[in-house]
Amino acid sequence: DQQVKQNSPSLSVQEGRISILNCDYTNSMFDYFLWYKKYPAEGPTFLISISSIKDKNEDGRFTVFLNKSAKHLSLHIVPSQPGDSAVYFCAARKTSGSRLTFGEGTQLTVNP
Amino acid sequence: DAGVTQSPTHLIKTRGQQVTLRCSPKSGHDTVSWYQQALGQGPQFIFQYYEEEERQRGNFPDRFSGHQFPNYSSELNVNALLLGDSALYLCASSLGGLGLGYTFGSGTRLTVV
Repeated sequence: DQQVKQNSPSLSVQEGRISILNCDYTNSMFDYFLWYKKYPAEGPTFLISISSIKDKNEDGRFTVFLNKSAKHLSLHIVPSQPGDSAVYFCAARKTSGSRLTFGEGTQLTVNP
Repeated sequence: DAGVTQSPTHLIKTRGQQVTLRCSPKSGHDTVSWYQQALGQGPQFIFQYYEEEERQRGNFPDRFSGHQFPNYSSELNVNALLLGDSALYLCASSLGGLGLGYTFGSGTRLTVV
């Protein structure tokens, strides 16, 4: 039962353009959503998060949008930089617990 | 300030053997969670330790067990290894058992042959 799903295994964009990474979830009990970035041979690092009571959160070049009715969230990176090339994971936390449920990840490649 | 430290970084074991992975949490953190990341998949929650007790457990068999020590470090033990146990094992530390503020280690790559 894949409760958090990232349908695009990979995404390639040009430097300076916008990168949009998508994530869908099925469990209505999720109350907090997070994005992690992972480089090879490193652990995931926290990027940005959003509470279920909000629909947008910004941090510099990164913005996360949440559409609760559609059970969909997206991460926008503007402008994209080559250093952003990594695997991006969407994760969610249930109201009652602290474990994170991750999606499968999307490999982002930003071309110079 | 040291982050989360995991050892060893790589390990090769034979089917049926037992393995122990180790994790030292980030300074100031008291909760350790373990995740398994199979190739091409996202991390999957194994269990969480807080105050030296297993507080939550994911959908993993009893072959997976753990321990937390008084200094908050933790071990993950896997018995009767299967080929399917080959994965990257990630340790994440946090404060107070919350799912926020996780800091992940770089992981232990386990290969079962």
